Amino acid sequence: DAGVIQSPRHEVTEMGQEVTLRCKPISGHNSLFWYRQTMMRGLELLIYFNNNVPIDDSGMPEDRFSAKMPNASFSTLKIQPSEPRDSAVYFCASHPRGEVAGELFFGEGSRLTVL
Amino acid sequence: GENVEQHPSTLSVQEGDSAVIKCTYSDSASNYFPWYKQELGKGPQLIIDIRSNVGEKKDQRIAVTLNKTAKHFSLHITETQPEDSAVYFCAAKNTGNQFYFGTGTSLTVIP
Repeated sequence: DAGVIQSPRHEVTEMGQEVTLRCKPISGHNSLFWYRQTMMRGLELLIYFNNNVPIDDSGMPEDRFSAKMPNASFSTLKIQPSEPRDSAVYFCASHPRGEVAGELFFGEGSRLTVL
Repeated sequence: GENVEQHPSTLSVQEGDSAVIKCTYSDSASNYFPWYKQELGKGPQLIIDIRSNVGEKKDQRIAVTLNKTAKHFSLHITETQPEDSAVYFCAAKNTGNQFYFGTGTSLTVIP
């Protein structure tokens, strides 16, 4: 399996622009998580889905952030409009829901820089 | 919700020495405690984990201990090597399928 695939790996954009980050989870995994990593706050959970349904989006910073999972093999995280404080590495991770244990598999991350 | 605290934030050891990283958690319902290693420019990867019904688990040079009563768990790396240098995260998972991460420990192994 190719693992969790994220794109783009790097994104540089200007303040006010729309940013869309993409994630393809591991086939057969039905839980998907979006995390944001910064030096100040570490790994923050933004939102997670079970069977394509958003379960907890309390970590989404504000209305500028939105996430969708239209099917089991694809999810997007959108920031509109972007701001410099959104600069961070965004990770997508997937997990085989229903298992007490079981590894949370992370993608390589999308490094976002908002100028 | 769960709160996971991790210490220290940075740790430097001489090659061959041991390294210990400690975490505490708040939710007694948490039942799974993984440790992740993150190398520069990559996503975190699982290195070892422990379930709440086990007190200790070992895999070659790494081991994890869990004290459910005190709600703390620790990662032990023996005979450290330069390739062990990375950021390590502890996490706690509850029955609600959510993973809560510590703030990370940057480990440097000095050759």
